[in-house]
Amino acid sequence: QQPVQSPQAVILREGEDAVINCSSSKALYSVHWYRQKHGEAPVFLMILLKGGEQKGHEKISASFNEKKQQSSLYLTASQLSYSGTYFCGTAGGSNYKLTFGKGTLLTVNP
Amino acid sequence: DAGVIQSPRHEVTEMGQEVTLRCKPISGHDYLFWYRQTMMRGLELLIYFNNNVPIDDSGMPEDRFSAKMPNASFSTLKIQPSEPRDSAVYFCASSPTNGRPQETQYFGPGTRLLVL
Repeated sequence: QQPVQSPQAVILREGEDAVINCSSSKALYSVHWYRQKHGEAPVFLMILLKGGEQKGHEKISASFNEKKQQSSLYLTASQLSYSGTYFCGTAGGSNYKLTFGKGTLLTVNP
Repeated sequence: DAGVIQSPRHEVTEMGQEVTLRCKPISGHDYLFWYRQTMMRGLELLIYFNNNVPIDDSGMPEDRFSAKMPNASFSTLKIQPSEPRDSAVYFCASSPTNGRPQETQYFGPGTRLLVL
């Protein structure tokens, strides 16, 4: 089943913070976060695995609550370049079958 | 590294025609993925390969779609016959193993397919 992302859209001014949430109705093994700019390919941001292992960009942080089947992406001191659509992809097992949410459109204005 | 390479970047065809999309993964990556992205359905995994072997094709919409990976550096996604509802952006992605159960997926630039 497709994970649910919230909010659907958010508008920030440069320097403000944002949190994007991803929630699943099934048990999760991993959560993957990607950012996509209009007309471009998704770009990797973070991967969080069951058990606590994480890998990602140094300026972006995320959390993974395995019991609640939820993940949150934290964007601090936002920059204009952070604008884009953020997707979470979830996997119920160690296989690579990712299901992506519908995305959160983030707009950062000067 | 050149990244994941896809061709063609744009394809316009008429309903009923055969369409072949091509992908060259990043050298050394042993996973390859085909995704489809539309406004209505978002980003969907169609099929993925590990070491050239199809692992999960449950996302392939119907028998009109087929994918092959004859060697570690090349994969194709074929639609025959194509229909207007196949219009979408098709992404190929690849991933290394690096000893972890899951790793970063690197996406190619995509193929924008329009079926008239």
